[in-house]
Amino acid sequence: GAGVSQTPSNKVTEKGKYVELRCDPISGHTALYWYRQSLGQGPEFLIYFQGTGAADDSGLPNDRFFAVRPEGSVSTLKIQRTERGDSAMYLCASSLNPGGPGGTQYFGPGTRLTVL
Amino acid sequence: QQQVKQSPQSLIVQKGGISIINCAYENTAFDYFPWYQQFPGKGPALLIAIRPDVSEKKEGRFTISFNKSAKQFSLHIMDSQPGDSATYFCAASSGATNKLIFGTGTLLAVQP
Repeated sequence: GAGVSQTPSNKVTEKGKYVELRCDPISGHTALYWYRQSLGQGPEFLIYFQGTGAADDSGLPNDRFFAVRPEGSVSTLKIQRTERGDSAMYLCASSLNPGGPGGTQYFGPGTRLTVL
Repeated sequence: QQQVKQSPQSLIVQKGGISIINCAYENTAFDYFPWYQQFPGKGPALLIAIRPDVSEKKEGRFTISFNKSAKQFSLHIMDSQPGDSATYFCAASSGATNKLIFGTGTLLAVQP
């Protein structure tokens, strides 16, 4: 009965470096979402996967951000040339059926990214 | 039109009291309105959710009131307890993607 897991829980990096954040959704959940939460704010949508494909990436702030989900399960959010403004909590959520009664999104504990 | 406005920003309630948090939206296409509870350092956890075909939903001490014509919805926490102290977010979504648009959050402190 595992929930959504995210690794690492904390990541400290230097400006300009590349980082990867991993999300393991609940088994069987076809929908996967990435959100970013700045301190004192609500989560903001980044990207949505249905299966292996990115069905909506309208929330990605720029082309330094990219995400993949090659086998329709685990997803990786990739950030190139990190900037101090990228510092935030990155949250992953999954759901069984995004448009229907099973549309509840279950969130992971997040990865706290700090860019020095 | 995608915004969800939430108030108050913070709230202090005595143990046993009623906590009320309000949200308003503009996009009439929204068809799912969840409330999430978040403790420090943790991800948000679904508390209760409503769809616009009903005006109220109650689960234990938590009730959502929904006013479709006013485009407003609120969370009521009855008999508030110190363990309810957390940040509460309203959200809204629509369509096939169901991506959530969150409010700015309400920091609730329940005093013993």
